[in-house]
Amino acid sequence: QLQLQESGPGLIKPSETLSLTCTVSGGSIRSRNYYWGWIRQPPGKGLEWIANIYDTDITYHSGSTFYNPSLRSRVTISVDTSKNQFSLRLISVTAADTAVYYCARVSLGAAFDSWGQGTLVTVSS
Amino acid sequence: QPVLTQPPSVSAATGQKVTISCSGSSSDIGKNYVSWYQQVPGTAPKLLIYDNNQRPSGIPDRFSGAKSGTSATLGIIGLQTGDEANYYCATWDSTLSAGVFGGGTKLTVL
Repeated sequence: QLQLQESGPGLIKPSETLSLTCTVSGGSIRSRNYYWGWIRQPPGKGLEWIANIYDTDITYHSGSTFYNPSLRSRVTISVDTSKNQFSLRLISVTAADTAVYYCARVSLGAAFDSWGQGTLVTVSS
Repeated sequence: QPVLTQPPSVSAATGQKVTISCSGSSSDIGKNYVSWYQQVPGTAPKLLIYDNNQRPSGIPDRFSGAKSGTSATLGIIGLQTGDEANYYCATWDSTLSAGVFGGGTKLTVL
């Protein structure tokens, strides 16, 4: 069955860049039927959508990346089909970016149907 | 502030039923499918309902979803103590081209 696994540093300093990778196993990231996305959850708070990406090598859909407007200036999502991975890059982090970061598969109806276990990223000096 | 509005908490007794509301707008729920998630603290969210009212395989039919206009509802019947969790609604905002979540609802089973 499909499995997603986040990886990346658990602790980064303010103003640094957060880089996370999601490795997909049990299925191909190259699918016409799914996007791939990142969601985060600050401690004790609710879920916040960050970004979605559609494999750019498949031109079935126009537009392949989508970002939370409040994070758009700092976020980049990308996909590496050769490694069956997709990644998140968040620049200029602050303590407000401390959260559990989840990667997920996203249906064309925008449902997150498979999730990684999540990885806690703490921003602290 | 979450785009979609959910009640912070609901409660009901074991065996009873409960509904959780999710209110949005014409650009999000009004135009797109709604999904619902169950999250036990310390674990990843789990998809309960997609495309407004569809259950993934393995989700019992005690869980149901409905949508009307700019609002959606999650229903749970035959409540069990294991249903205690936080529940989130989500959809797509066509104006923002962005995913949006509700603030979450904590379900307590008495």
